This record gives sequence, structure tokens and C-alpha cells, in this order.
Amino acid sequence: GNSVTQMEGPVTLSEEAFLTINCTYTATGYPSLFWYVQYPGEGLQLLLKATKADDKGSNKGFEATYRKETTSFHLEKGSVQVSDSAVYFCALVKSGGSYIPTFGRGTSLIVHP
Amino acid sequence: GAVVSQHPSRVICKSGTSVKIECRSLDFQATTMFWYRQFPKQSLMLMATSNEGSKATYEQGVEKDKFLINHASLTLSTLTVTSAHPEDSSFYICSASPQGEGNTIYFGEGSWLTVV
Repeated sequence: GNSVTQMEGPVTLSEEAFLTINCTYTATGYPSLFWYVQYPGEGLQLLLKATKADDKGSNKGFEATYRKETTSFHLEKGSVQVSDSAVYFCALVKSGGSYIPTFGRGTSLIVHP
Repeated sequence: GAVVSQHPSRVICKSGTSVKIECRSLDFQATTMFWYRQFPKQSLMLMATSNEGSKATYEQGVEKDKFLINHASLTLSTLTVTSAHPEDSSFYICSASPQGEGNTIYFGEGSWLTVV
């Protein structure tokens, strides 16, 4: 079946540091890939997405590239801010199926001033 | 992006009572919505798939008589927690996907349920 594996957190960084949160997936065919962000006490917000191989999703300084050869969708940001502190979820949705998403376990990011 | 809204955002109820949580797609029609439960510092657990005009599909281990799901229109799904107990206290989130957006999932704001 489908699965998503994220690096375990928490990831602790100083402000303006470079961020990478690894995400790898297992799925047949060509799933769509997503990153969601959850701020404390809130629901999940779509951060970015990519629907085919080599697509790059980007939003608010965050980027992730759909790498089919390595089945990865790593999240990166060049310079994090304290306000980026949140939990980040990687997810996939298999095309042509029931559209039930598969989520990673989430990675907590803590950014210190 | 599309908007999914949940109500209430927070609710406190007494043990033994029932509580209803609404999930609405505000700017699109959703034939399918999903209900999740999230425990503190954990990932989302899919509870059920809500299908407009038909019965919900529950995940293994989820009590269908306890978590009643109704999807009466293309923009509204409801989750009713019946005979609530303190162990039902949790964060409940719904999601839906608009057609034509490449399977993009949009989530509601979530609903905190506390059973006392």
C-alpha cells in the first residue's frame, strides 16, 4: 500500500537557518504530493503541492521538488523565521482512486530567535 | 484555494450527551468528505469517508454507532459523537477535495471536543 515517511522531529533551528525536512514515499503510479502546515491549536493548511515528476511546489519561501527517481518530496526553506514554528505534514494522494490521502507522522519545527 | 469550514471550533459537553460537528465546503461542492481525529502531537487518523447521499465508510476500529456521519448535501457533512465519554476528547478535522484541482485536499479549521 501507500506510505509516507518523514524525518522525526523536533527540528530545532535558529532564525535565518536553512531548513530541510525529508519526506519519502511509497506508492504505485504517479501520486500527487503535498506539504501541509499545522500551527498550534489549528487545522492543517495547504503549504504547497506537486502533481507530477520534477514539478516544484513553492509558497511563502518554502519549496519542494517531486523526485520520482528517489521517491522523495523534501521540504526546504532558505531562511526560517520564528513564525515558521509549526508541525509539517507530508502527504500523498493516489490518482484515479478513492482520493483517500496518506499522511506522514508530521515533523515539528521549532525556530528560536 | 478552496475553503472548508468547521463549526464549532471548540465545544465542551458532559459525559453521556451527544455533540454535533459541522463541516462545510464554502465555495465548491464535495461529494466526498473525510473525517479525521488527531491526538496530541500525533498525526491524523482517518475515521471515515463521508459520501453525499449514501452511508459513510468507516475505517477499521471506528465505531459507526458512536460516530454518526451524515452527508445530506453537497456542501455539508456532520459528525455526531453520541454518548460522549472523556476518552472521546480530541481534535476532529474534516477535509474535502474540489474537482479539477489535482486531488488537492483542503482541511477545515478543526474542532476541539472536551468531554467532562
